[in-house]
Amino acid sequence: EAGVTQFPSHSVIEKGQTVTLRCDPISGHDNLYWYRRVMGKEIKFLLHFVKESKQDESGMPNNRFLAERTGGTYSTLKVQPAELEDSGVYFCASSKIAGSQETQYFGPGTRLLVL
Amino acid sequence: DAKTTQPNSMESNEEEPVHLPCNHSTISGTDYIHWYRQLPSQGPEYVIHGLTSNVNNRMASLAIAEDRKSSTLILHRATLRDAAVYYCILRDYNNNDMRFGAGTRLTVKP
Repeated sequence: EAGVTQFPSHSVIEKGQTVTLRCDPISGHDNLYWYRRVMGKEIKFLLHFVKESKQDESGMPNNRFLAERTGGTYSTLKVQPAELEDSGVYFCASSKIAGSQETQYFGPGTRLLVL
Repeated sequence: DAKTTQPNSMESNEEEPVHLPCNHSTISGTDYIHWYRQLPSQGPEYVIHGLTSNVNNRMASLAIAEDRKSSTLILHRATLRDAAVYYCILRDYNNNDMRFGAGTRLTVKP
């Protein structure tokens, strides 16, 4: 069974540009999460999809970030325009069910550097 | 939300047992205790979870104190591949997200 995949693995862009990150969850997993770790900080939750619906987007930092999951399969996270403080590692995770006992499976992350 | 406290770092020798502590004195009755780890340049990886009773799986054991205010992740024989940051995370039915702290960085010496 393929794990969670993320693309690209690395991205270097200039301040003000747009970047789109993609996450392919494990097949059959309705729940998809985005997290990020910015420089020197802890991993923080961004948002949670159940199929194509946003269940919780309380962690999205501002309106420069837009996440979509059309069709309930893969998801994209767009940052527009990117700022220096957006540099960090963006992780995607998926799970079959949601809840306090469920296991989340994480992808390897996308390393974003904004210059 | 209940928080956890872990040592910043620990060291172990290869093939010896490792006990990674976690304090969670404000844990509620419905909080599950989860452990994840993050190997270098990888995403976090599930290790084990429990509620009240001790748990064992192929990766590790989880020992939960009787009052549930602390727990210990036990790696029975550390290998070099176990060098990672280990996170102790509390989750209740309200949280679908994972609340990561700073974790414990485990170094395994050959």
